[in-house]
Amino acid sequence: TQLLEQSPQFLSIQEGENLTVYCNSSSVFSSLQWYRQEPGEGPVLLVTVVTGGEVKKLKRLTFQFGDARKDSSLHITAAQTGDTGLYLCAGAGSGNTGKLIFGQGTTLQVKP
Amino acid sequence: NAGVTQTPKFQVLKTGQSMTLQCAQDMNHEYMSWYRQDPGMGLRLIHYSVGAGITDQGEVPNGYNVSRSTTEDFPLRLLSAAPSQTSVYFCASSYSLPGAGYGYTFGSGTRLTVV
Repeated sequence: TQLLEQSPQFLSIQEGENLTVYCNSSSVFSSLQWYRQEPGEGPVLLVTVVTGGEVKKLKRLTFQFGDARKDSSLHITAAQTGDTGLYLCAGAGSGNTGKLIFGQGTTLQVKP
Repeated sequence: NAGVTQTPKFQVLKTGQSMTLQCAQDMNHEYMSWYRQDPGMGLRLIHYSVGAGITDQGEVPNGYNVSRSTTEDFPLRLLSAAPSQTSVYFCASSYSLPGAGYGYTFGSGTRLTVV
C-alpha cells in the first residue's frame, strides 16, 4: 500500500515569513501533485511534477520533486494572508489508472 | 465552464437509507474518482474509473457502488447508510497527458450526515 506522509500537519506563521511543507513516502510515484483547499470547497490543483529532481515555481510557491520520485516539498516565500488554507500532496502510482493517493494535508494559517 | 458538478451539496440520511450522489463533468475527461474527506485523514479514494464502462475499487469501497455508463457521469450509490459514512464526498475528473501526469478537477463536495 502506498502512503504519503505530510508534515507538518499544522503551521501558524506571521505574514512575510517563509515556510516549507514536506511530503514523503517509501514508494515511487510516477507524478506528484499539490493542491490547495479552502473551507467548503474542493481542492484546486496547483502543480504537477513528473520528473525526478524537477523544480517548478508558481509566483512565491516553489515545488520540488525528489530525485528518486519518493518525496516532494512546497516552499512559500514571504507568506501572505491569502495563502491560508489546507495544502494537500497527492501521488500517482505506475500504470495508467488515474489513481491518486493523498497525504493527510497541512493546514496553514498566515496571520497579519 | 461548469467543470465538475456535484449534487446535492448537503444531505441528511437516516441509518439504513440509500441514496445516490450525482457527479457530472463536461470536460470530456477519461478519468473520474470519488473521494471522502474526514478530519485529519486527507482524502481517501472510494472508487475510480478510467473510462465509460470501467470502474475499480479504491482504498475504502465498502458500502458504496459506482457505475460509469457515459464519459460525463459517475454516480456514487450508498447502499445502506451508516453513521461511519458521515463525511464530505468529492468527485473529481482528470485528463492524462504522456509525460505530464494528471490534472484533476474537483467538484465542490457533498456534505453527508447519517443519523
